[in-house]
Amino acid sequence: SQQGEEDPQALSIQEGENATMNCSYKTSINNLQWYRQNSGRGLVHLILIRSNEREKHSGRLRVTLDTSKKSSSLLITASRAADTASYFCATDWGAQKLVFGQGTRLTINP
Amino acid sequence: NAGVTQTPKFQVLKTGQSMTLQCAQDMNHNSMYWYRQDPGMGLRLIYYSASEGTTDKGEVPNGYNVSRLNKREFSLRLESAAPSQTSVYFCASSERFTTGTGLNQPQHFGDGTRLSIL
Repeated sequence: SQQGEEDPQALSIQEGENATMNCSYKTSINNLQWYRQNSGRGLVHLILIRSNEREKHSGRLRVTLDTSKKSSSLLITASRAADTASYFCATDWGAQKLVFGQGTRLTINP
Repeated sequence: NAGVTQTPKFQVLKTGQSMTLQCAQDMNHNSMYWYRQDPGMGLRLIYYSASEGTTDKGEVPNGYNVSRLNKREFSLRLESAAPSQTSVYFCASSERFTTGTGLNQPQHFGDGTRLSIL
């Protein structure tokens, strides 16, 4: 399937450090999205990057996309306790659907 | 602004019972989706409705039916619940995609229905 795979599955860092999560996918895409999920809540959209873009920023978030390697990374700088959550990448599946990876569980330690 | 509202938030069923999960959005979105999320896994698409009046199967449609009641509401029905359908169910909505650009709209999610089937 087209499913994205996140790496690592779990990441634990100290508050203030940077967190990097990676996503790989199998076939060509038009767009890749990143979402955050806090415990017991629904997913929240963070950022969308198009296949013709290489890097995109939103506040403390930086997303890169390498279509030749079929991979993307999400960098969260100066992490905070509130960043503790699971992070998912999602890629196009056909024209009307998204396929989500299994997610990275990020824990920020005070 | 409520966004996407799902009811109920929790439900326990016995094997063989039926139930309908309700979803409503107030963002005037054309497209709506139903996903399930199992422990340690990402979301898997059950059914989606690209626009009012249309529904299509996703990755795991077996055992489910859907109804796009109107532009706001999209319900998911389990006709004869099975333990394998124990999961957290999420409804989402988005603006309709633009032809030729892929799915370039963010999806907005409800907080889920936690369903246990004994």
